Amino acid sequence: AQTVTQSQPEMSVQEAETVTLSCTYDTSESDYYLFWYKQPPSRQMILVIRQEAYKQQNATENRFSVNFQKAAKSFSLKISDSQLGDAAMYFCAYRRDSNKLVFGAGTILRVKS
Amino acid sequence: GAVVSQHPSRVICKSGTSVKIECRSLDFQATTMFWYRQFPKQSLMLMATSNEGSKATYEQGVEKDKFLINHASLTLSTLTVTSAHPEDSSFYICSAHRHYGYTFGSGTRLTVV
Repeated sequence: AQTVTQSQPEMSVQEAETVTLSCTYDTSESDYYLFWYKQPPSRQMILVIRQEAYKQQNATENRFSVNFQKAAKSFSLKISDSQLGDAAMYFCAYRRDSNKLVFGAGTILRVKS
Repeated sequence: GAVVSQHPSRVICKSGTSVKIECRSLDFQATTMFWYRQFPKQSLMLMATSNEGSKATYEQGVEKDKFLINHASLTLSTLTVTSAHPEDSSFYICSAHRHYGYTFGSGTRLTVV
């Protein structure tokens, strides 16, 4: 069964600094999708970034980028120039069969001003 | 962009009563809707998958008779919590699958007293 592990329950970063959130997953499939979602206090789930496993190039979206290491089954999220609005719960997710998403336990990110 | 409207956002009900939660896709057709349950500061746990015009499929351990899901049209999926008890109090989120992405509703906080 596919599993997603986020080993950092909480992380803190100073405003304008860079932070990396870790995620590892387990799968026997060769083609799949990985996601990072942000859940602010409003609890609305917001897509941060998506990576297709067959693409070797790491996905980037403005200040957000991933380090996708397929062999190591690692999918970390780097947030550059952190802003107060980045404070939220971040979930790593894997798309499994029938398009179902499996979420990691989440990492609470706190941004200090 | 794609929007999933979820109502109500908050509901308080008495123990033993039933509560219906609706998710509507506003500008697209959602053939598949996923229903999640989330406890405070925890991850999203998939409860069931609903497909338009067919019976929902439930994840292991989810009581199908307690959590009734109906997906009668391409724009509406409903979750009814029947004979609610305090342990059913939680945050419920729907998500529509589109292409290779997902659009989430804003969630429903259910409190059973």
